[in-house]
Amino acid sequence: QVQLVQSGAEVKKPGASVKVSCKASGYTFTGYYMHWVRQAPGQGLEWMGWINPNSGGTNYAQKFQGRVTMTRDTSISTAYMELSRLRSDDTAVYYCARDPAAAGARAAYYMDVWGKGTTVTVSS
Amino acid sequence: DIQMTQSPSSLSASVGDRVTITCRASQSISSYLNWYQQKPGKAPKLLIYAASSLQSGVPSRFSGSGSGTDFTLTISSLQPEDFATYYCQQSYSTPVTFGPGTKVDIK
Repeated sequence: QVQLVQSGAEVKKPGASVKVSCKASGYTFTGYYMHWVRQAPGQGLEWMGWINPNSGGTNYAQKFQGRVTMTRDTSISTAYMELSRLRSDDTAVYYCARDPAAAGARAAYYMDVWGKGTTVTVSS
Repeated sequence: DIQMTQSPSSLSASVGDRVTITCRASQSISSYLNWYQQKPGKAPKLLIYAASSLQSGVPSRFSGSGSGTDFTLTISSLQPEDFATYYCQQSYSTPVTFGPGTKVDIK
């Protein structure tokens, strides 16, 4: 079955970086865009951007420009999201989520399959 | 950025009730509106895409309607497993934005 398996929880100090992984299975990894969405404790959902696993192209939310880097390793069907210069308000659950549109077309900008989430805690 | 609002922010309902949640966009988004269900400690689950299309595997008691700026999610007969938080999301333009959520709990 289609599945996204994310890496484990992280605790980081302010100013550090975190890299979260998302391993896809059950479908052709390079065939679909991958989004990253985060959710701070008790808060709503916030879109961070997407990566096209086929081309490596990215589209980041302006809020995260300069701090986020999305990459992929097609040999192991894994997407990565790295967030740098962490602050306490970056404490959140980070989700990867598949876009149902084919990677050769325009992204649909909604998410049909989600990972279980990775908790990132930023604390001194 | 397009702002999404939802009403009510929370509601209490009984099993079997008909429940309606409203979502409003700050500008016209055509039918680029999607609905998700999220249970505590779990990832969101896609229910409805393109305002009214039911995602595969989602029970038919869920339905969506609307276009432009005003949208509705309806649960025709609330079931015990439907107690959750519901989010709308616009996919008309970037950045993608979500509503603040509507929590549905047991009366």
